[in-house]
Amino acid sequence: AQSVTQPDIHITVSEGASLELRCNYSYGATPYLFWYVQSPGQGLQLLLKYFSGDTLVQGIKGFEAEFKRSQSSFNLRKPSVHWSDAAEYFCGREISGGYNKLIFGAGTRLAVHP
Amino acid sequence: GAVVSQHPSWVICKSGTSVKIECRSLDFQATTMFWYRQFPKQSLMLMATSNEGSKATYEQGVEKDKFLINHASLTLSTLTVTSAHPEDSSFYICSARDPGSGELFFGEGSRLTVL
Repeated sequence: AQSVTQPDIHITVSEGASLELRCNYSYGATPYLFWYVQSPGQGLQLLLKYFSGDTLVQGIKGFEAEFKRSQSSFNLRKPSVHWSDAAEYFCGREISGGYNKLIFGAGTRLAVHP
Repeated sequence: GAVVSQHPSWVICKSGTSVKIECRSLDFQATTMFWYRQFPKQSLMLMATSNEGSKATYEQGVEKDKFLINHASLTLSTLTVTSAHPEDSSFYICSARDPGSGELFFGEGSRLTVL
């Protein structure tokens, strides 16, 4: 079945350090992939998405993600983390067919130390 | 500003009562909306796909009679939790697809607490 896996449940980084959040997907030649961020008690905000074309995708807030077909991955990166980046990050993919539902990985909670 | 709005943002109810949560698309007409449920510190689980003018499509394991979904207009979908019990307490989030851009927008979420 088509699925999304986020191996890291919780990550802590120091402010100013680089960040990489992992996301792997199963099945699908060219999946539609997304990264969302959720602040406590709030809805989801789209950071970036990949449909096709350039495998390095730029998003908002200085985030980028790279689609690697050979590794079935779509990892999210940021060169320098700010304290305000502390939040929950969800990787998602569209399930093709029908209404193109969006499913999510388990999420990665990011903590930022000063 | 928000393009998908949920109401109420939080609600507390007694066990056995029913609660209705509204999801509205503000800037576009959405033939399809989705309802998710999120347990504390967990991911979003897709509950159902809400289709304007037809019956909702529920994911496996979701009780249709417990979670009633109505998509009466192109800008409004409602989720009614019937005969709510404490185990129904959760954060419910809706999303709507903008047919023009294809992008999925999420509401702010509704936190339900059943006493």
